[in-house]
Amino acid sequence: EDKVVQSPLSLVVHEGDTVTLNCSYEVTNFRSLLWYKQEKKAPTFLFMLTSSGIEKKSGRLSSILDKKELFSILNITATQTGDSAVYLCAVVGGSNYKLTFGKGTLLTVNP
Amino acid sequence: GAGVSQTPSNKVTEKGKYVELRCDPISGHTALYWYRQSLGQGPEFLIYFQGTGAADDSGLPNDRFFAVRPEGSVSTLKIQRTERGDSAVYLCASSLFSGTTTGELFFGEGSRLTVL
Repeated sequence: EDKVVQSPLSLVVHEGDTVTLNCSYEVTNFRSLLWYKQEKKAPTFLFMLTSSGIEKKSGRLSSILDKKELFSILNITATQTGDSAVYLCAVVGGSNYKLTFGKGTLLTVNP
Repeated sequence: GAGVSQTPSNKVTEKGKYVELRCDPISGHTALYWYRQSLGQGPEFLIYFQGTGAADDSGLPNDRFFAVRPEGSVSTLKIQRTERGDSAVYLCASSLFSGTTTGELFFGEGSRLTVL
């Protein structure tokens, strides 16, 4: 059974801080790892990672995958209050349509 | 439509009642997914449709749960004899193909089900 563990489960920072969110996984026939941001209800897509060592970047957010050690990190620099959300990590394994999610990391950015 | 639409946004029902939750995917998206998210947990896979057929319903917890997508567009998740443990947010998502080609599933706002 595929498994995703995220850490920390919650994090409180001040605006301007840099944060690193962690995601480790166990999956049969790994295909990809995805990051989503969930502010109220609907998760919104951030990144998909399939290859080790290649950083994906979008503005202040970046992510990288290590397929040997089976983990990924999501970095957010110069955090803003609008970054407050639950960040979900998910993996896709043998069934190429099924996402297995972690519990998420609740990030709170205080002004 | 512009996005994935789910109705109702909130549903409160009594134990033992029947409920239907509706999902209207993005126009043209052939793949549709239902996930369930309990408080403090990540979404859990329930069922995947490719077109009209349920390609994988292995995530449905038991035979009280059933989903249909008769015309390959709108889908309805049906729950019979609801139990308090069914209380959760039911998320629907759609994608142009199987989804993981690009990684992007488009999620709806969810239907929050509360069983009293």
